[in-house]
Amino acid sequence: LAKTTQPISMDSYEGQEVNITCSHNNIATNDYITWYQQFPSQGPRFIIQGYKTKVTNEVASLFIPADRKSSTLSLPRVSLSDTAVYYCLVGDGGYSTLTFGKGTMLLVSP
Amino acid sequence: NAGVMQNPRHLVRRRGQEARLRCSPMKGHSHVYWYRQLPEEGLKFMVYLQKENIIDESGMPKERFSAEFPKEGPSILRIQQVVRGDSAAYFCASSARGTGGEKLFFGSGTQLSVL
Repeated sequence: LAKTTQPISMDSYEGQEVNITCSHNNIATNDYITWYQQFPSQGPRFIIQGYKTKVTNEVASLFIPADRKSSTLSLPRVSLSDTAVYYCLVGDGGYSTLTFGKGTMLLVSP
Repeated sequence: NAGVMQNPRHLVRRRGQEARLRCSPMKGHSHVYWYRQLPEEGLKFMVYLQKENIIDESGMPKERFSAEFPKEGPSILRIQQVVRGDSAAYFCASSARGTGGEKLFFGSGTQLSVL
């Protein structure tokens, strides 16, 4: 299973763009990169998933360089409600067990 | 379109009692995962089940913990003779395991408190 490394915490202000980078140096060919968001006392919520290049949805963008050894979650114009823990996971579509690290605690201030 | 349902939301047990946590996956999902989360920590994988089969229980403590996912009904995580160290939030997730990456859908969790 590919191990991931991401910053423990990040601070931002409302209206700013936030980029959270995750390193996964031993990512395998069949692995996808998935990001989850977790609020206190709630289960994680799927945000975005990608395999290569760029993926965008209504919530975020995911940038993946050609070597796929890292990925960057981009949150445009964050608000206070984006304060949460963000997890980067790497796994394949076959049998695998997704492992959550400690995630990145994003704190958005007014 | 109900999501993953966990109950109870909160569970209080005294030391030595049994705790039973239930998880109903999303409609059409046949794969269930259980995670445990201690305060200020990330989610720790416990067990991965398909209908009537345990696929990976490498994260389960060797004693007192068991899980099942019967052909009919919810998945159950059972903790026998609970101790204070079992106090945590227990999350269940389900997936359809379609092609492409794995996408997990989580329930709201069960907060277990052992007195």
